[in-house]
Amino acid sequence: DAGVIQSPRHEVTEMGQEVTLRCKPISGHDYLFWYRQTMMRGLELLIYFNNNVPIDDSGMPEDRFSAKMPNASFSTLKIQPSEPRDSAVYFCASSLLGDTEAFFGQGTRLTVV
Amino acid sequence: GNSVTQMEGPVTLSEEAFLTINCTYTATGYPSLFWYVQYPGEGLQLLLKATKADDKGSNKGFEATYRKETTSFHLEKGSVQVSDSAVYFCALRTAGGTSYGKLTFGQGTILTVHP
Repeated sequence: DAGVIQSPRHEVTEMGQEVTLRCKPISGHDYLFWYRQTMMRGLELLIYFNNNVPIDDSGMPEDRFSAKMPNASFSTLKIQPSEPRDSAVYFCASSLLGDTEAFFGQGTRLTVV
Repeated sequence: GNSVTQMEGPVTLSEEAFLTINCTYTATGYPSLFWYVQYPGEGLQLLLKATKADDKGSNKGFEATYRKETTSFHLEKGSVQVSDSAVYFCALRTAGGTSYGKLTFGQGTILTVHP
């Protein structure tokens, strides 16, 4: 398997623009996670899904952030409008069961100028 | 809710020194415990895991034992190498309760090993 695939790997955008990050989980996995990593705040869980249904979105910073999982093989994280403080590395991860390890993608480095 | 606390970093060691990174947790139910490693510019990789009390996870010379009585999962390595320089994260998941399936991480510990 190719592992968890995220795109793009790098994104530079101007403040106020819409940004969409994409994730393809490992085939057959039924949990999907979105994390954000910064030097100041470390690794933060934004939202996670089970069988395409959002289970906990309490980590989503504000209404500018939204995440969807239209099917088992694809998820998006959208920021609209983007702000400089959204600059971070965003990771997607997936797992097979509720108590097993999760596998991470390589991340998307977002820079908002 | 569930939480994970790691020792403060950064940790700086000389090659061949002994490594301990402390990790304690709070969880409802019986969590599975993990150590992940992140090398510069990369995503997180699973280093080792343990799924029940007294289990010992091991990989690449690293070990950690699931201690239910002290709610701890400390990471150890007898002789570190320069290539072990990375950020290490302790994490837990519980399959039941209100946080079922949630993967909770500690704040991470930066390890630097000098020749």
